[in-house]
Amino acid sequence: AQKITQTQPGMFVQEKEAVTLDCTYDTSDPSYGLFWYKQPSSGEMIFLIYQGSYDQQNATEGRYSLNFQKARKSANLVISASQLGDSAMYFCAMREPYNTGNQFYFGTGTSLTVIP
Amino acid sequence: GAGVSQSPSNKVTEKGKDVELRCDPISGHTALYWYRQSLGQGLEFLIYFQGNSAPDKSGLPSDRFSAERTGGSVSTLTIQRTQQEDSAVYLCASSPTSSSTDTQYFGPGTRLTVL
Repeated sequence: AQKITQTQPGMFVQEKEAVTLDCTYDTSDPSYGLFWYKQPSSGEMIFLIYQGSYDQQNATEGRYSLNFQKARKSANLVISASQLGDSAMYFCAMREPYNTGNQFYFGTGTSLTVIP
Repeated sequence: GAGVSQSPSNKVTEKGKDVELRCDPISGHTALYWYRQSLGQGLEFLIYFQGNSAPDKSGLPSDRFSAERTGGSVSTLTIQRTQQEDSAVYLCASSPTSSSTDTQYFGPGTRLTVL
């Protein structure tokens, strides 16, 4: 089974609108971390936001927030007030230190295009 | 402070040649990861180091691939007898500890082209 599933290969959003990128995960480890990364066309991987499995509140970092629904095993990224510079690939990842000795699992990514 | 660095940034080689890719992690980071990313694809996990040891080598695609890490710092990924399907961007990342709360910090990658 896939550890991380991103079902949206491509998404479009109008500039200044909000967009939600979906991510579901699969783990039996009680302690895990969820991460989102942005990869612009330049190729660099940029860390955006982190959510811990024991965190009671949804993580927020500026215009990025994480809609964490533990029972559903989903960790969707919400980008508010989209900007042209948000056009990039977005990857969801999970780290589970006990089950798999610290490997990060990545989803296949979602390509986001912001339309002027 | 300095981020993760990788060298070379680009490498063009002929099929059958050996290549070495280098990764300098952020100073003090104990965990180091290698990934491969083919054009337009996601990240393929290759190998993970905790200190100098590699508890997880499960992602190495074949015995032509090997990696080592010395002094808990620099890591080298070696591909022997390169094939055209090895062409990809090879990304290195480091993480401060093995805690699930720590993110990875990525290097700029090495773009490998096998002719």
